[in-house]
Amino acid sequence: KQEVTQIPAALSVPEGENLVLNCSFTDSAIYNLQWFRQDPGKGLTSLLLIQSSQREQTSGRLNASLDKSSGRSTLYIAASQPGDSATYLCAFNNDMRFGAGTRLTVKP
Amino acid sequence: EAGVAQSPRYKIIEKRQSVAFWCNPISGHATLYWYQQILGQGPKLLIQFQNNGVVDDSQLPKDRFSAERLKGVDSTLKIQPAKLEDSAVYLCASSLGPGASTEAFFGQGTRLTVV
Repeated sequence: KQEVTQIPAALSVPEGENLVLNCSFTDSAIYNLQWFRQDPGKGLTSLLLIQSSQREQTSGRLNASLDKSSGRSTLYIAASQPGDSATYLCAFNNDMRFGAGTRLTVKP
Repeated sequence: EAGVAQSPRYKIIEKRQSVAFWCNPISGHATLYWYQQILGQGPKLLIQFQNNGVVDDSQLPKDRFSAERLKGVDSTLKIQPAKLEDSAVYLCASSLGPGASTEAFFGQGTRLTVV
């Protein structure tokens, strides 16, 4: 089964900073990867889906990359805002298993 | 398009009681997932259905947890009897099915407190 690790576990940055969240995985087989955000007390909201044949996907200030050779995906957030504060999680859509996520706090 | 619907939103029960959660996935979604999320942790996959068949239930504590999806649409997750450590948020998600371009979508979850 896929094992997903997210580092760091928590991150606090000032507003406006660009930042990178990491998602490492053990199985580099051909699957699609999905990034989510979770606000406190809520369900998960889908941010980006990177298909196995893609290297990156962009949506607004978010850019996610997928490097199967290194077993890593990164989520880049440009010009962070306090509204970006949430927990960010990743999972492959063949088994949809999650790590603990990265808790992001963007300070005004 | 309606999202994944879950009910109830909150439930408080005493230990050793039973409880059931309901999930209605997005219309046409063949794959359905149930997760348990304990405070401060990531969601833990309990069971995955493809239509009305079980794909993966390796992390479902089968001595007390059960789930069904009889007609391949909505699903129920049951706990009997509940323990204190079952206090968590139970999330349901659905997707069109395995394969390319299949995003998973989550419901708002049911927060269970066992006292």
